[in-house]
Amino acid sequence: NAGVMQNPRHLVRRRGQEARLRCSPMKGHSHVYWYRQLPEEGLKFMVYLQKENIIDESGMPKERFSAEFPKEGPSILRIQQVVRGDSAAYFCASSREAGNTIYFGEGSWLTVV
Amino acid sequence: TQLLEQSPQFLSIQEGENLTVYCNSSSVFSSLQWYRQEPGEGPVLLVTVVTGGEVKKLKRLTFQFGDARKDSSLHITAAQPGDTGLYLCAGGSQGGKLIFGQGTELSVKP
Repeated sequence: NAGVMQNPRHLVRRRGQEARLRCSPMKGHSHVYWYRQLPEEGLKFMVYLQKENIIDESGMPKERFSAEFPKEGPSILRIQQVVRGDSAAYFCASSREAGNTIYFGEGSWLTVV
Repeated sequence: TQLLEQSPQFLSIQEGENLTVYCNSSSVFSSLQWYRQEPGEGPVLLVTVVTGGEVKKLKRLTFQFGDARKDSSLHITAAQPGDTGLYLCAGGSQGGKLIFGQGTELSVKP
């Protein structure tokens, strides 16, 4: 009964490079959420996706950030031209239906040097 | 904009003491979830409460959802060093996403 799987767990990128974070939801879950946790801050909602659709992207920065959840395969959070301020823990979560209990993955820690 | 205010932000107590963490909002939530997060790990779900006035117990932890579904509390009885961690409350919306409080960093000293 695998939980939400995220990879990589740790990622180091130089400024200007691209970061791709992957998330496989729990079995039977078709709703995926991405959250960011900056040092000394709480979890901030970024984007909510259902298979092939973005439901709510109100927390996504306007530039450089994008997310997808294709029909097949994991959800991807993509950060282009990373800057030091992007260094954070990025958490993926999933639920069976909207409004159901949400379960989190172990997180992906991005460090931009 | 829905906001959740969590208090206290930091709490340091001795083993055996009781404590309560509060989570308050001016908004109504469809559900309220409590998580615990260890350093370097993801939040782990402790409980979900959905009904106004609901009380759930998990061993030494008691969770309560306010009658109006705007606030919640977590009470720990006879705290142990193993309870040390970051406790997060999160409100669920009909739209699906969770709104998190700032978290309470609990330290229980032996």
